[in-house]
Amino acid sequence: DQQVKQNSPSLSVQEGRISILNCDYTNSMFDYFLWYKKYPAEGPTFLISISSIKDKNEDGRFTVFLNKSAKHLSLHIVPSQPGDSAVYFCAATDLTGNQFYFGTGTSLTVIP
Amino acid sequence: DVKVTQSSRYLVKRTGEKVFLECVQDMDHENMFWYRQDPGLGLRLIYFSYDVKMKEKGDIPEGYSVSREKKERFSLILESASTNQTSMYLCASSLETAGEKLFFGSGTQLSVL
Repeated sequence: DQQVKQNSPSLSVQEGRISILNCDYTNSMFDYFLWYKKYPAEGPTFLISISSIKDKNEDGRFTVFLNKSAKHLSLHIVPSQPGDSAVYFCAATDLTGNQFYFGTGTSLTVIP
Repeated sequence: DVKVTQSSRYLVKRTGEKVFLECVQDMDHENMFWYRQDPGLGLRLIYFSYDVKMKEKGDIPEGYSVSREKKERFSLILESASTNQTSMYLCASSLETAGEKLFFGSGTQLSVL
C-alpha cells in the first residue's frame, strides 16, 4: 500500500508564477520529509527537507509546508523558472532513518 | 563532494542473461539502497542494506538479489533478466541516522530485449 501519495501526475505553470506541489502520507510515524527533483536520465537530487517538529522550511525560492494533522505537505516554488521543469518526488522516513518511502512523482512544466 | 557512482549509464541485455549492476559510494555511509523507477509508479525499493553482508527486502525483491561485501559497494543482480525488468535503476546511500537524506547515483537505464 502506498504510504506516500502524490495525486497530481503533472502540473503546468507560467514562468514567474508560483508552483505548488502536494503530497499526502498515511503513516503517523513518519518523522522527516524530503523533496527530490529529477531530470530525465539522471538520478534524483535533494531539494529541501522538513522535520516533523516544524511546519515550514524555506530555502531560497523553495518552501516546504507540513500539516501534520492533515498528514499533508506541499512544496512551493516562487517564482517558477523554466529550469525548474522536472519530476518532483516527495519522500518520508521514520525515526530510524533506515527506509525512505517515495511518492509517484509530479512532473512540473514551467512555460516560458 | 558526496558521490554515489553507478558503473553503467545505459545497458542492453538479452532475456535470460545474468546482469550485475554495481554501485560505489565514497561517503562511508552505512545504508545503501536499490530502487527502480518506472513511469507512473515512482521509485520502488528493491533491496536495502544497513551494514556489510546485511540485506533487507524492499517492496519488489522478486527476480533480484544483492551483495554487499564491502561497506562502500552494493551490487544488484538480476539472476535471469526478463523484459519486465527493463527500467531505470537507482542506487542511493545514507547515514544510519534519523533525519539524514538519501544521495542518489546517476542511474542505470537497463533495457532487456
